[in-house]
Amino acid sequence: EAGVTQFPSHSVIEKGQTVTLRCDPISGHDNLYWYRRVMGKEIKFLLHFVKESKQDESGMPNNRFLAERTGGTYSTLKVQPAELEDSGVYFCASSQGTDLYGYTFGSGTRLTVV
Amino acid sequence: AQSVTQPDIHITVSEGASLELRCNYSYGATPYLFWYVQSPGQGLQLLLKYFSGDTLVQGIKGFEAEFKRSQSSFNLRKPSVHWSDAAEYFCAVGRLDSNYQLIWGAGTKLIIKP
Repeated sequence: EAGVTQFPSHSVIEKGQTVTLRCDPISGHDNLYWYRRVMGKEIKFLLHFVKESKQDESGMPNNRFLAERTGGTYSTLKVQPAELEDSGVYFCASSQGTDLYGYTFGSGTRLTVV
Repeated sequence: AQSVTQPDIHITVSEGASLELRCNYSYGATPYLFWYVQSPGQGLQLLLKYFSGDTLVQGIKGFEAEFKRSQSSFNLRKPSVHWSDAAEYFCAVGRLDSNYQLIWGAGTKLIIKP
């Protein structure tokens, strides 16, 4: 089966621009998660979708970040406008509904804001 | 608040030597415990996890980890490392008031000397 796919793998944008990251989960996985690792620090939870609904967005840092999951399939994470502190690696993961912590992670998107 | 400490940012080990990566977690109750690895260009891969039962857990790629409640530790070990083990290793715990959210350590980068 195909894994979790994220693209782009790398993105370099200027401060103030907009960037959209995409995540394609494993087919049939209702749960989709976003995490990010900022500049060598800990990986931190951003949000959790169940199908197309945001179940938990307690980790979203501010309203410059907008996550969507169209039709319960792929998800996008938009940063608008991007700031320097948004640089880092954004990870997406998906899981089956009954699989406790049964994440499959994508390889991440490295975002650099200059 | 829960936290995870990986005290070693970098560790250098000779190929064929044994390895131990340290992980300590805060908070009194025993959480679910995980070790993940990220090889260059790859996603986060689960090495092993501890939910309950036998405190010595076997994982993939020849890794094992031992849960020690008295020390709030979950150290990762391998008897003989291979050059392909060069990667970054993350310890994580399940957030106690969640059944999906992970709290991560800062990671330990493993360097293998030939």
